[in-house]
Amino acid sequence: EAQVTQNPRYLITVTGKKLTVTCSQNMNHEYMSWYRQDPGLGLRQIYYSMNVEVTDKGDVPEGYKVSRKEKRNFPLILESPSPNQTSLYFCASSLSAFRGSPLHFGNGTRLTVT
Amino acid sequence: AQSVTQPDIHITVSEGASLELRCNYSYGATPYLFWYVQSPGQGLQLLLKYFSGDTLVQGIKGFEAEFKRSQSSFNLRKPSVHWSDAAEYFCAVGAPYGGSQGNLIFGKGTKLSVKP
Repeated sequence: EAQVTQNPRYLITVTGKKLTVTCSQNMNHEYMSWYRQDPGLGLRQIYYSMNVEVTDKGDVPEGYKVSRKEKRNFPLILESPSPNQTSLYFCASSLSAFRGSPLHFGNGTRLTVT
Repeated sequence: AQSVTQPDIHITVSEGASLELRCNYSYGATPYLFWYVQSPGQGLQLLLKYFSGDTLVQGIKGFEAEFKRSQSSFNLRKPSVHWSDAAEYFCAVGAPYGGSQGNLIFGKGTKLSVKP
């Protein structure tokens, strides 16, 4: 089944403790992206990647890192999480970065930073 | 700059009633437009998309949307709402290739509640 898989689904952590949220897609998609979703703010893009070893900042990249060493994986790294990073995170992928290419989303990771 | 506006934050309709969710966009060229649905606890799922051609597009789950260039709108409709349609709906426009906002710009969403 074609899908984007995120892990974990739920994560509670403390300020400053490094964490990684994994994202994997099995559709051979070139483009991958991370979003955060906050009430009243909708979806905001954190980072995106147009292909292996090519990543770029989205609208809200501060406090986050990503890497794209393989086509299928696009982990999101929070080196020193803070409470304002408490949010619902989505990974998404599409065939390409072409603006007509629909995104396929994972089921989300709800992160709480205390 | 490109933008998407969904004027209604929350809409409540009765089961069996018709539904229209509004979406307005700002984009300099022919837009690529999408509607996504997010059910509770789930990721976003593509309902339908418009690229060109017939301005009335059909999607999954009985939804349709109409592109009106003169009004810069892409409203989502359904003739008869089911309780399972309760969800949050997002309109999106395709951003320029390689732009800093990646490939989609999302509206802030409209939450749909369905009354029995």
